[in-house]
Amino acid sequence: NAGVTQTPKFQVLKTGQSMTLQCAQDMNHNSMYWYRQDPGMGLRLIYYSASEGTTDKGEVPNGYNVSRLNKREFSLRLESAAPSQTSVYFCASSEAPAGGNQPQHFGDGTRLSIL
Amino acid sequence: EDQVTQSPEALRLQEGESSSLNCSYTVSGLRGLFWYRQDPGKGPEFLFTLYSAGEEKEKERLKATLTKKESFLHITAPKPEDSATYLCAPNFGNEKLTFGTGTRLTIIP
Repeated sequence: NAGVTQTPKFQVLKTGQSMTLQCAQDMNHNSMYWYRQDPGMGLRLIYYSASEGTTDKGEVPNGYNVSRLNKREFSLRLESAAPSQTSVYFCASSEAPAGGNQPQHFGDGTRLSIL
Repeated sequence: EDQVTQSPEALRLQEGESSSLNCSYTVSGLRGLFWYRQDPGKGPEFLFTLYSAGEEKEKERLKATLTKKESFLHITAPKPEDSATYLCAPNFGNEKLTFGTGTRLTIIP
């Protein structure tokens, strides 16, 4: 009963390097989300995909890109990492977009440090 | 802009000492509200969905209530395993949730 799986769990990058965070869900959910969580800031939405084939910006999209590869997978890419992107990144999925009152289910996060 | 405030930021209770956590929000077409629990090093775990003012939901020692302007998470006779950060997320009817910053609850044996 995996739910939402994120890889990697930990990563250290140097400023300017690029990387892709992977997320996969096995609940046949339509909507997927990427958040970052910083101390004192709470969870902030980076990008979301309300359904397969669509993506939209959230609250803090600058410096990130996303790909909804198929219904199961939603990846987050940092093209040129900056120290300000040091954070814990969470992927979530839900049966329908948030407006439909369907709860989001979260993975256990990727802890990313940018030196 | 929709705002979400959780209070207190941190709460320490003795085992068995009941209390309440608060989630307040600016009213802008509230459609419902979610409560989550987050343990250190883990992702948020879904607890409750409340759909309308006056609704209550219970799970073990937790009871969530909802009014038009705030929600409470009541914890009755807590145990050390209830220690976690509790997050609320009002649903304002768009495709995105706005999460509060959470209440960090510590239950002392």
